[in-house]
Amino acid sequence: AQTVTQSQPEMSVQEAETVTLSCTYDTSESDYYLFWYKQPPSRQMILVIRQEAYKQQNATENRFSVNFQKAAKSFSLKISDSQLGDAAMYFCAYRTNFGNEKLTFGTGTRLTIIP
Amino acid sequence: DAMVIQNPRYQVTQFGKPVTLSCSQTLNHNVMYWYQQKSSQAPKLLFHYYDKDFNNEADTPDNFQSRRPNTSFCFLDIRSPGLGDAAMYLCATSRGGTSYNEQFFGPGTRLTVL
Repeated sequence: AQTVTQSQPEMSVQEAETVTLSCTYDTSESDYYLFWYKQPPSRQMILVIRQEAYKQQNATENRFSVNFQKAAKSFSLKISDSQLGDAAMYFCAYRTNFGNEKLTFGTGTRLTIIP
Repeated sequence: DAMVIQNPRYQVTQFGKPVTLSCSQTLNHNVMYWYQQKSSQAPKLLFHYYDKDFNNEADTPDNFQSRRPNTSFCFLDIRSPGLGDAAMYLCATSRGGTSYNEQFFGPGTRLTVL
């Protein structure tokens, strides 16, 4: 079974600075998807960014980018120019590409933005 | 806007009293999921429907049931809630059958068991 580990329960960053959230995973599969989801306080979870395992190029979405290291099974999220609206719980998630619709989540990292 | 709607947002029930949580979607997605999220923990998948096909997770207690009467609606029934069932319940949808299918989440229902 796949597992996802987020070793940083809490992180904080100064507004406008850059922060990196860590995620590692364990799988025996070669084809899969990885995601970062954001869950703001009392609001619904939304997708931040995704990475397909067969693509070597790291995904980027505006201020959000990932560092995907397939051999090391590492998938970190970098947030540049942090904004107050980035404050949220961030979950790393794994999904196989073999018909199973299931997402396996990590335990999350709570990100605080310091004005 | 197309979305995933959960009602109610907050639900209080008594120990052992059956409760039903509802989820509806306007995305016309064929897959609907129910997750349980306890405080400071990761969402845990309880089960999902792929069209009318029900897929239960192996470790989901029998106390939890689900119904999907049509594409748009899905219900979570807790037959005899215990104190340990107090949690946020998240509904999500996706367009299954594609190589990549993003899950769209509702705002959740926070269940309190007295």
